[in-house]
Amino acid sequence: ETGVTQTPRHLVMGMTNKKSLKCEQHLGHNAMYWYKQSAKKPLELMFVYSLEERVENNSVPSRFSPECPNSSHLFLHLHTLQPEDSALYLCASSQDIPAAGGRETQYFGPGTRLLVL
Amino acid sequence: KQEVTQIPAALSVPEGENLVLNCSFTDSAIYNLQWFRQDPGKGLTSLLLIQSSQREQTSGRLNASLDKSSGRSTLYIAASQPGDSATYLCALAQAGTALIFGKGTTLSVSS
Repeated sequence: ETGVTQTPRHLVMGMTNKKSLKCEQHLGHNAMYWYKQSAKKPLELMFVYSLEERVENNSVPSRFSPECPNSSHLFLHLHTLQPEDSALYLCASSQDIPAAGGRETQYFGPGTRLLVL
Repeated sequence: KQEVTQIPAALSVPEGENLVLNCSFTDSAIYNLQWFRQDPGKGLTSLLLIQSSQREQTSGRLNASLDKSSGRSTLYIAASQPGDSATYLCALAQAGTALIFGKGTTLSVSS
């Protein structure tokens, strides 16, 4: 049990659908992250929140919309996705965002496997 | 721009063998380097974290080294077991907010 949960675990959606991914962390961390993992590509950072404020948007298309209502919850709202958006979406949390001298790691959830038809 | 390369992409070994996974990076201005394990269809589990001022870290049968000057890290697994079969990912933390990941090495240990 990593303390980071994600729902749903699997999602199939059409290109015109709207859906949301949910992440919850029970670790008392201040920073939360969304990553995308596509086949044969490295994990790509999508969004970072620190103390509920977005601190990085890594050139992600607007069809992905994050929301962080409090320090324990993070959502990723999806609309009008494309088939190439099919991937494993991973949520992570850490005590704080990386800093010099930092020794903390990120804790990952199990991911949501998304298929866009 | 930081680039992280992991070699080999895949590795198959018999049980009991000692093995080394490699990670190289292009920018030595890092805060720390981490090794993660990922089982199929699952999230990542942190194995070892080496701060930029450190040279190595050990946990059980795992030993990770860091040589910032040459831009290299290795993960040594002693006496490999079938349960070690997974994908191993190297990731760097540096100025900014992201972890930068390599593509990983997929390890298969046969009994």
